[in-house]
Amino acid sequence: DTGVSQDPRHKITKRGQNVTFRCDPISEHNRLYWYRQTLGQGPEFLTYFQNEAQLEKSRLLSDRFSAERPKGSFSTLEIQRTEQGDSAMYLCASSLVQGNTGELFFGEGSRLTVL
Amino acid sequence: ILNVEQSPQSLHVQEGDSTNFTCSFPSSNFYALHWYRWETAKSPEALFVMTLNGDEKKKGRISATLNTKEGYSYLYIKGSQPEDSATYLCASLSGTYKYIFGTGTRLKVLA
Repeated sequence: DTGVSQDPRHKITKRGQNVTFRCDPISEHNRLYWYRQTLGQGPEFLTYFQNEAQLEKSRLLSDRFSAERPKGSFSTLEIQRTEQGDSAMYLCASSLVQGNTGELFFGEGSRLTVL
Repeated sequence: ILNVEQSPQSLHVQEGDSTNFTCSFPSSNFYALHWYRWETAKSPEALFVMTLNGDEKKKGRISATLNTKEGYSYLYIKGSQPEDSATYLCASLSGTYKYIFGTGTRLKVLA
């Protein structure tokens, strides 16, 4: 399977713990996005990368969130000192910037539950 | 309009009915409008990528139109089937390559 993969698919943690999610995009895609989705809401933009450069980060994102994409391949999203409000589905998507398309290809998401 | 808005939030239709949803988006600095279908326990999949005012796209029983001047897009499903049950998301792309999603329309087609 050469689609976008995310790991872990599910994570249950206690409040105050750190968690890290990994996303492996489609190999030739140069843009990678992280979104957060909570019940009844659409995906909320968190951040995106072009190759290894982080081009934008949502102002809604606190300093407890950090994302990296070393070498422009896989990406990690770390949440430090988790809070119950961080419970959500974290979606990763990649795209190939080509003309005006830029269709997003999503992974199946990492569901975080903070107790 | 500053955000991407979708209506209705949820919809129940009978098998065979035709239905449509609305996506409203900021018309300034418009670049593209995407529609995605998100089935339960799966990942969202692109239906349409639309860029030009007046665009009409079709895939089987599903079609979409785009009005960039007034900032709206319609998604139509003709003869709904139970397998069409999903959340339909639209996403607006403007200027930077940041996609802003609406809250989605959750469609349930009853057999």
